[in-house]
Amino acid sequence: GAVVSQHPSWVICKSGTSVKIECRSLDFQATTMFWYRQFPKQSLMLMATSNEGSKATYEQGVEKDKFLINHASLTLSTLTVTSAHPEDSSFYICSARDGAGGVVETQYFGPGTRLLVL
Amino acid sequence: AQSVTQPDIHITVSEGASLELRCNYSYGATPYLFWYVQSPGQGLQLLLKYFSGDTLVQGIKGFEAEFKRSQSSFNLRKPSVHWSDAAEYFCAVGARAGSYQLTFGKGTKLSVIP
Repeated sequence: GAVVSQHPSWVICKSGTSVKIECRSLDFQATTMFWYRQFPKQSLMLMATSNEGSKATYEQGVEKDKFLINHASLTLSTLTVTSAHPEDSSFYICSARDGAGGVVETQYFGPGTRLLVL
Repeated sequence: AQSVTQPDIHITVSEGASLELRCNYSYGATPYLFWYVQSPGQGLQLLLKYFSGDTLVQGIKGFEAEFKRSQSSFNLRKPSVHWSDAAEYFCAVGARAGSYQLTFGKGTKLSVIP
């Protein structure tokens, strides 16, 4: 149990385009989902916390108009990188917290999405 | 604010040798503590976690960790390393309320010599 999927796993796009990344909890309801960004050989940096049905909370320094997050259902959150530029190239990882009777303190991580902006 | 320090950026051990990865945390109270492992290009897999109770916790793949409040540490150990253990290891501290946000250390890369 507690599986989180991400789609796509890889995306290459041209500068100026927008890219949508999906994060799904497959076998539990995720009241809270988190989006992280990881640069090569570095740790995960929390970008934002999203709660189902409400606006996401962004960490300091993360542009909310650049990184649009939607958590419309208990099993799906999306991250849209708008007008992507090469500096947005990174590894994006989502995680989900089981809020429906599971172990709420544990986050389950998706496999990540590697974005390359040319 | 909570923080995590992993003092060792890179550790190399021989296959079959014992392993200890260090983790120190800063948190106002007793935190939730986690160890995750990440293989190249992959997401994070939970190895083990400490919430309360017994300070020695057992995880998957033969790993264990010990919570030492007096030292603010949560070191990860394995008695005999396998070549497949080569990966990046992240220690994380989680808040006990609110969104249960995690703060990660910078990670320790483990290389295993056959």
